[in-house]
Amino acid sequence: KNQVEQSPQSLIILEGKNCTLQCNYTVSPFSNLRWYKQDTGRGPVSLTIMTFSENTKSNGRYTATLDADTKQSSLHITASQLSDSASYICVVVDRGSTLGRLYFGRGTQLTVWP
Amino acid sequence: EADIYQTPRYLVIGTGKKITLECSQTMGHDKMYWYQQDPGMELHLIHYSYGVNSTEKGDLSSESTVSRIRTEHFPLTLESARPSHTSQYLCASSEVGGQHIQYFGAGTRLSVL
Repeated sequence: KNQVEQSPQSLIILEGKNCTLQCNYTVSPFSNLRWYKQDTGRGPVSLTIMTFSENTKSNGRYTATLDADTKQSSLHITASQLSDSASYICVVVDRGSTLGRLYFGRGTQLTVWP
Repeated sequence: EADIYQTPRYLVIGTGKKITLECSQTMGHDKMYWYQQDPGMELHLIHYSYGVNSTEKGDLSSESTVSRIRTEHFPLTLESARPSHTSQYLCASSEVGGQHIQYFGAGTRLSVL
């Protein structure tokens, strides 16, 4: 069973609008949570990394939040651009693994229309 | 942009052929990984390596094999490709310790006819 669930599965918004993507996880013990952006046909690129003690982290127009108690995270995109069209993947790292085992969500496919 | 490179980007090949997917990184990372990703699905770890001469199988069973003779190079080989091997293969690398940040290559999209 996938330990990282993302919603919605896909999302279409107009350019300039804001949106919020959700991630729920059951991975334990928890080390950190990351949001990756994956353009079509490309490898994932890290947007934010949040540890247990962090509630919010921003990277330009991207703001991630984390509630470690409820095991939920969100990624808020402000003033969307056409280039934001991509899959956004939530990744949780297992603190108990020396490998730094990553658990991947299936991603939210975001499409930004002009 | 991370310095990790995969070739080829796209490969269409017939059943039964032997193929090698190349992955190289110039960051001096000890850890390297291979993931398999089908459209709309999550990444699945199929192989990883802690360093030279170290290779381990990942969570998803795979008929592919890997080798790690040099730190910067982590090729994946399929001795006899089958249509079920059609997928996207992503290579990644990370430093030892820290937050285990993995840097990904652009991927190889493999189609076996």
